[in-house]
Amino acid sequence: AQSVAQPEDQVKVAEGNPLTVKCTYSVSGNPYLFWYVQYPNRGLQFLLKYITGDNLVKGSYGFEAEFNKSQTSFHLKKPSALVSDSALYFCAVSPPMDSSYKLIFGSGTRLLVRP
Amino acid sequence: EAGVAQSPRYKIIEKRQSVAFWCNPISGHATLYWYQQILGQGPKLLIQFQNNGVVDDSQLPKDRFSAERLKGVDSTLKIQPAKLEDSAVYLCASSLAPDRPYEQYFGPGTRLTVT
Repeated sequence: AQSVAQPEDQVKVAEGNPLTVKCTYSVSGNPYLFWYVQYPNRGLQFLLKYITGDNLVKGSYGFEAEFNKSQTSFHLKKPSALVSDSALYFCAVSPPMDSSYKLIFGSGTRLLVRP
Repeated sequence: EAGVAQSPRYKIIEKRQSVAFWCNPISGHATLYWYQQILGQGPKLLIQFQNNGVVDDSQLPKDRFSAERLKGVDSTLKIQPAKLEDSAVYLCASSLAPDRPYEQYFGPGTRLTVT
């Protein structure tokens, strides 16, 4: 079965420190991978995607993610966290052979950035 | 550019009652998705339309849920009769799929509470 796992329910970091939010996937073939962020009472916002090419992809708000095929991971990173980065982060995968391009989401990781 | 619009934002009903949600996608987006997000979980696809045709409704509980997208623009999602386990946020998203399928744009969601 195709799935996405976010092993951490919550990640806490101090402002100014680097952050990592983990994601692993189980999909046949070469997956399309995404990160979305959800602020309170707001819809999901697209952060970045990996379709093909360079394993390191850069996205909105200074976030980046690294695709690692051997470890089936797509971890979200930021060199220096801001308090305003505190939100709920979702990793998602779109199965490559699925012409519907639907998204399968992980359960989410809550990021808390302390001042 | 206007985003995805949804209404109502909140709805409280008793079990066995009916409810309907409305979504207006971004202008020009051919593909529309309805997701169900239960508290503490990632969004789960309920149904996907391309123009006014259904692409995927494999996870839609068809005995109580229905959806339509007349004229390939607005869409409504209906639950009849509602159950307690239907309490969730219902998210609508749209994309340029199949032309540019990789980014979905989400509305703010409708929070449904069934008592």
